[in-house]
Amino acid sequence: DVQLVETGGGLIQPGGSLRLSCAASGFTVINNYMCWVRQAPGKGLEWVSIIYRGGTTYYADSVKGRFTITRDHSSNTLYLQMDSLRAEDTAVYFCARVSLDYVDDPTYYYYTLDVWGQGATVSVSS
Amino acid sequence: DIQMTQSPSSLSASVGDRVTITCRASQGIRNDLGWYQQKPGKAPQRLIYAASSLHSGVPSRFSGSGSGTEFTLTISSLQPEDFASYYCLQHNSYPWTFGQGTKVEVK
Repeated sequence: DVQLVETGGGLIQPGGSLRLSCAASGFTVINNYMCWVRQAPGKGLEWVSIIYRGGTTYYADSVKGRFTITRDHSSNTLYLQMDSLRAEDTAVYFCARVSLDYVDDPTYYYYTLDVWGQGATVSVSS
Repeated sequence: DIQMTQSPSSLSASVGDRVTITCRASQGIRNDLGWYQQKPGKAPQRLIYAASSLHSGVPSRFSGSGSGTEFTLTISSLQPEDFASYYCLQHNSYPWTFGQGTKVEVK
């Protein structure tokens, strides 16, 4: 079965650091694009970051310079290192696999977040 | 950054109703857009990619259309399991951006 399981959430003070883990089973993390999405309490979804198969990364403006997405082949795990945390980072964080689909042109891909974890709750408060 | 304006933010409907949700992009994004469904306390699930292509296993009552800046998600005949929140996501350029979401509630 293809599955993602996030761990590492918790309560942290503003300015602190936290690392989220996303353990994959049924597929290999480094062979896929992977991303993080978050959802503040009662709010909508916010895209956070992506890492390509080749290691290229992109970030939302709101986390750029503070968050770092990485992966580890030996443990088949995706990570999100979160530094300088702020109250507005309080959210449920989802990891997701990104599949590449095409319609007519096999060289033009459409990205889909096709497998999601259950989410990890991060609360930033003093 | 590309802004995605989704409307309405919520709607009330009955089983069997036709429901339409719109996403408007602040600039052209070709058809680099997907739609997702989220139920309370759960992770989102994929519905549509490339603005109008249905993912495998998604009921045919769901359909998408649009290109450029205007996109719609239509549920042709709302079923009890469709009461949920819906989000569009553009992946034309970074940072990717979601619409604000539409909550479909029971009338």
